[in-house]
Amino acid sequence: DGGITQSPKYLFRKEGQNVTLSCEQNLNHDAMYWYRQDPGQGLRLIYYSQIVNDFQKGDIAEGYSVSREKKESFPLTVTSAQKNPTAFYLCASSMGLAAYNEQFFGPGTRLTVL
Amino acid sequence: AQSVTQLDSQVPVFEEAPVELRCNYSSSVSVYLFWYVQYPNQGLQLLLKYLSGSTLVKGINGFEAEFNKSQTSFHLRKPSVHISDTAEYFCALYSGGYNKLIFGAGTRLAVHP
Repeated sequence: DGGITQSPKYLFRKEGQNVTLSCEQNLNHDAMYWYRQDPGQGLRLIYYSQIVNDFQKGDIAEGYSVSREKKESFPLTVTSAQKNPTAFYLCASSMGLAAYNEQFFGPGTRLTVL
Repeated sequence: AQSVTQLDSQVPVFEEAPVELRCNYSSSVSVYLFWYVQYPNQGLQLLLKYLSGSTLVKGINGFEAEFNKSQTSFHLRKPSVHISDTAEYFCALYSGGYNKLIFGAGTRLAVHP
């Protein structure tokens, strides 16, 4: 079955700690994305990557970092510099960046800072 | 600036009744519009999209939407809803200049028996 997996499903972090969220896809997609979802605010783009070893900041990149060493993987690190990291994080992928390429979403990771 | 406004944060409706979820957009360039559905604690699934051509777009699960350029709207409709349609629905606009989707805040559809 082709799709996107995110792990873990739930993640708890103490203030001041960095934490990494995993995103893997086996759809052979070039483009991958990270979104943050907060209640009543829709989804906001954190980072996106068009191709391996390349990524671009989205609207709310501060306090986050990513890497794209493999086509299948696009991990997101939430650093201690992110002031309010508690949120639902969604990873997505698509064939390319153009509008006609549907974005497929993973099931999400819910991060809670204690 | 490009933006998406979903006019209702919550829409309650009885089973088998029709429903319309409203979406307005703002853009000075060509638009590409999408509707996504999100079931509780899950990712998003594409319902339908408008890229060009016919302004009436049909999607999955019996949903359809109409692109109205003069009113800058892309409302989602379904003639008869089921309990299983209870979910959050997001309207989104593709911004070609920035290679990203711009999402509305979402509309929570609650279908009651």
